Amino acid sequence: EAGVAQSPRYKIIEKRQSVAFWCNPISGHATLYWYQQILGQGPKLLIQFQNNGVVDDSQLPKDRFSAERLKGVDSTLKIQPAKLEDSAVYLCASSLMRVGEQFFGPGTRLTVL
Amino acid sequence: QQPVQSPQAVILREGEDAVINCSSSKALYSVHWYRQKHGEAPVFLMILLKGGEQKGHDKISASFNEKKQQSSLYLTASQLSYSGTYFCGTERNSGGSNYKLTFGKGTLLTVNP
Repeated sequence: EAGVAQSPRYKIIEKRQSVAFWCNPISGHATLYWYQQILGQGPKLLIQFQNNGVVDDSQLPKDRFSAERLKGVDSTLKIQPAKLEDSAVYLCASSLMRVGEQFFGPGTRLTVL
Repeated sequence: QQPVQSPQAVILREGEDAVINCSSSKALYSVHWYRQKHGEAPVFLMILLKGGEQKGHDKISASFNEKKQQSSLYLTASQLSYSGTYFCGTERNSGGSNYKLTFGKGTLLTVNP
């Protein structure tokens, strides 16, 4: 069974630039999550989708972050414009149901200079 | 509400035991445990549902005390492969049929030969 795919794996940008991350969850997983993990911290949920609908985006900085999950499969997370404090690993995860085991992708390491 | 993990770090010799604790001030639906090795994605270990249960596989087990909103992860006869950062994730109802997972800051476990 293929795991959660993410791209790119690494990205370096300057502040005020834009960046987009892509995630393809495990086939059949209805729930998709985007987490932000700052060095030395646990993952912080940014947004949770159930199929193509948003379940929770209470911690998403909506003035600069946006995410979509068209057709209830893969998803993109965008940051526009980026700030220095956005430097982190962005993890995508998926699960079969709304509760239960989450499968994480390898993450995208973002560095904002 | 982020769960509190203790200790922050622990160093063991191969074959020794360790306990990692996780506590929350809010009523929980479940507790997840994940292990993350440096530069890798978190990997699911186990989930404990409310109702106060204990689970385990191999030499890693966990308990969940629903009344105290506490969970403990037990690592017995540690192996070098157990090294990594352990995160507990507490799952709470965020409204309706939606549930949200919040991770603690993690416990860095180092197993030396």
